[in-house]
Amino acid sequence: DAKTTQPPSMDCAEGRAANLPCNHSTISGNEYVYWYRQIHSQGPQYIIHGLKNNETNEMASLIITEDRKSSTLILPHATLRDTAVYYCIVRVLNTNAGKSTFGDGTTLTVKP
Amino acid sequence: DAGVTQSPTHLIKTRGQQVTLRCSPKSGHDTVSWYQQALGQGPQFIFQYYEEEERQRGNFPDRFSGHQFPNYSSELNVNALLLGDSALYLCASSLDREAWDTEAFFGQGTRLTVV
Repeated sequence: DAKTTQPPSMDCAEGRAANLPCNHSTISGNEYVYWYRQIHSQGPQYIIHGLKNNETNEMASLIITEDRKSSTLILPHATLRDTAVYYCIVRVLNTNAGKSTFGDGTTLTVKP
Repeated sequence: DAGVTQSPTHLIKTRGQQVTLRCSPKSGHDTVSWYQQALGQGPQFIFQYYEEEERQRGNFPDRFSGHQFPNYSSELNVNALLLGDSALYLCASSLDREAWDTEAFFGQGTRLTVV
């Protein structure tokens, strides 16, 4: 799996959009970008994934640059409950996701 | 539905000892994965069990071993404990390895401290 780089921490005001960046300059053509988050003392939770087109679901939006070397996870209206560690991972679709290697992620703190 | 249950929740062991951690998967799940999460780091995949066999393994030494029982519950065993084995050990269950993303459920973990 390609390596990813994320800032160690970010703050966001409650109700504002949180934009979390991820660099994956060595991503391969068949690798997808996945995002997970881990709320304190819980296991990682899947958020969203994409290949090259922007994706949106009920939790977040994923913006992938045209060269696919970086992406941004957007939480449109952050709440205090969105405070968590966010992990960006790249891997081939439908491979055994359970063996994904999580980096150190970005700790997002949403402040009132 | 109790979800994924891990025991014990906390454990203190002495360097060189052996430890066994237990995981009961969510009802209906047959695949169990184990992870080690050191403080301030992301979870690292240890191994995955399906049909009572180890199917995938991460980059962990042979001191880490496991077992899956016919009822799908699982154990993680660590021999010759080192101080560096201190971590939160997470268990996740799923019905299908390829549906892990949207269907994996995690337990609350076992906090192991080696002194």
